[in-house]
Amino acid sequence: DAGVIQSPRHEVTEMGQEVTLRCKPISGHDYLFWYRQTMMRGLELLIYFNNNVPIDDSGMPEDRFSAKMPNASFSTLKIQPSEPRDSAVYFCASRLAGRAGELFFGEGSRLTVL
Amino acid sequence: GENVEQHPSTLSVQEGDSAVIKCTYSDSASNYFPWYKQELGKRPQLIIDIRSNVGEKKDQRIAVTLNKTAKHFSLHITETQPEDSAVYFCAASKKSSGDKLTFGTGTRLAVRP
Repeated sequence: DAGVIQSPRHEVTEMGQEVTLRCKPISGHDYLFWYRQTMMRGLELLIYFNNNVPIDDSGMPEDRFSAKMPNASFSTLKIQPSEPRDSAVYFCASRLAGRAGELFFGEGSRLTVL
Repeated sequence: GENVEQHPSTLSVQEGDSAVIKCTYSDSASNYFPWYKQELGKRPQLIIDIRSNVGEKKDQRIAVTLNKTAKHFSLHITETQPEDSAVYFCAASKKSSGDKLTFGTGTRLAVRP
């Protein structure tokens, strides 16, 4: 398996633009997580899905952020409109049910909002 | 919700020395404690974990200890090598929360040759 695949790896955009980050989890994994990593706040859980259903989105910063998982092999995280404080590395991770700690992370998407 | 605190935030050791990273958690129902290593510019990767029915676990130069009474757990790296230089994250999880992980803030370990 190729592992968790994220795109784009790097994104530079201007404030106010829409940003869409994409994730393909490992085939057969039941859970998908979106994390944001910054120097100041470390790894923050934004939202996670179980069998394509959002379970907990309490970490989503505000209404500008939204996430979808239309099927078991694809998820998106959208920021609209983007702001400079959204600059961070966004990680997608997946795992099997019952394997709480064994997250498999993607390479991350480094977002810079100017 | 669960809160995980991690110390120190940075740690510098001489090659060959030991390194210890400590974490505390707030929710006594947490029962699974993994550790992740993130090398510069790379993704976090699971390196070792411990469950609440075990007090200590070893894997070569790495060991984790758990004190459920005090609600703290630690990562020990012996005979450190330059390739151990990375950011290490502890985390905690309990099944009733849907198995989501709460991460500590990370420890940046530098091993001086």
